[in-house]
Order: sequence, then C-alpha cells, then structure tokens
Amino acid sequence: EAQVTQNPRYLITVTGKKLTVTCSQNMNHEYMSWYRQDPGLGLRQIYYSMNVEVTDKGDVPEGYKVSRKEKRNFPLILESPSPNQTSLYFCASSLSRLDTQYFGPGTRLTVL
Amino acid sequence: EDQVTQSPEALRLQEGESSSLNCSYTVSGLRGLFWYRQDPGKGPEFLFTLYSAGEEKEKERLKATLTKKESFLHITAPKPEDSATYLCAVQTPGYALNFGKGTSLLVTP
Repeated sequence: EAQVTQNPRYLITVTGKKLTVTCSQNMNHEYMSWYRQDPGLGLRQIYYSMNVEVTDKGDVPEGYKVSRKEKRNFPLILESPSPNQTSLYFCASSLSRLDTQYFGPGTRLTVL
Repeated sequence: EDQVTQSPEALRLQEGESSSLNCSYTVSGLRGLFWYRQDPGKGPEFLFTLYSAGEEKEKERLKATLTKKESFLHITAPKPEDSATYLCAVQTPGYALNFGKGTSLLVTP
C-alpha cells in the first residue's frame, strides 16, 4: 500500500531533550516536506526537500533540522525542544514539487 | 503577501442540505489549487487539484470549481460521514503550498 508513515505518533518530552520524528514513504517520491498544524494558524511548512541531499527552509524553520540521506526517509530533528514547539506535525511527499502532496498520519508532540 | 482565506470557519448542515464552502486567494501566478479533507487527529486526505479558471472536478457528493480569485467546494445532499475539516491550499509560483485555516463541517442526521 502506498503510504507515508511517521513515528512516533504521540510523544511527550521535556524542554531541551533532543528528539527525532521519522518520516518514510514507499512511493519513490522525490519531494518531501514537514508541516506543523496549530489551532487558528493552519498548516505551516517547516522544511522541504526536493531530492536526496537537497533541503530548504519553509515558513517556520527555527528550532528544527532535517536531513535527506535516502530518498524514502526525511527525519525531523528538534535538538533542543521548547514548549512553543508543542504541535501536531505532518510529513508529506509528492512525485515532484509540482505534484499533489500526500500526508502522513501525524505526530502529536507535547514539550513540557 | 500570498493569502488564502476560507469561509465559513464552521458550517452545520442537516443531512441532505446542500451548501458550498469558499476558498479565496490572492496568489498571483497560481500553479494549482488543492482541496483536502481532514478528520480529527488524522492527516489531510487529498480530494482535488484545479489548475485553471473554469475547471471543475467531481467526486461522489463533492464538486470543486475554480475562478480567478476563488474556489468553491459544493457538497450535494451531504451525509454525516462528510463531517470533517476541509482545507484549501494554493501552490505559489515558488511551488510552496499555502494552506487556508479550513472549514469545519458538521452534518447532522
């Protein structure tokens, strides 16, 4: 089944404790992206990647890092999480930047 | 600045009561307009892509239309299972996807 998977689905952590949220797609998509969704603000793009080793900032990149060492994986790294990064995070992928993006199931992160 | 505005924020319909959701945008050089459905706690699910004014697409009870300044998602004879948040997103000339804040639809039996 074609899908985007994210792990973990739920995470509660404390301020400053480094964490990684994984994202994987099995559709051989070149384009992958991370979003956060907050009440009243909608979906906002954090980072995106057009292909292996090619990443760029979205609208809200501060406090986040990404890497794209393999085509199928696009992990999101929070090196020193803070409470304002409490949010619902979505990974998405598409064949190219021109195409429809397909979303993963989401990761709900709480930073205490 | 590129803007995407969805209205209404929330809509409550009786089963069978048709209505429309609106997505207005100010992006110049629109590359595509996307509609997604999102159920609580889940990822957005793709519905439609529209590329040019006058284009229409249909899927079951849903029909999406596009003009130069807005898109409508028409829901004909909705059922309770159509209850969800409907998101509109526009793709800018830089290929970024700008999302509206969504319309929360509740269809009651």
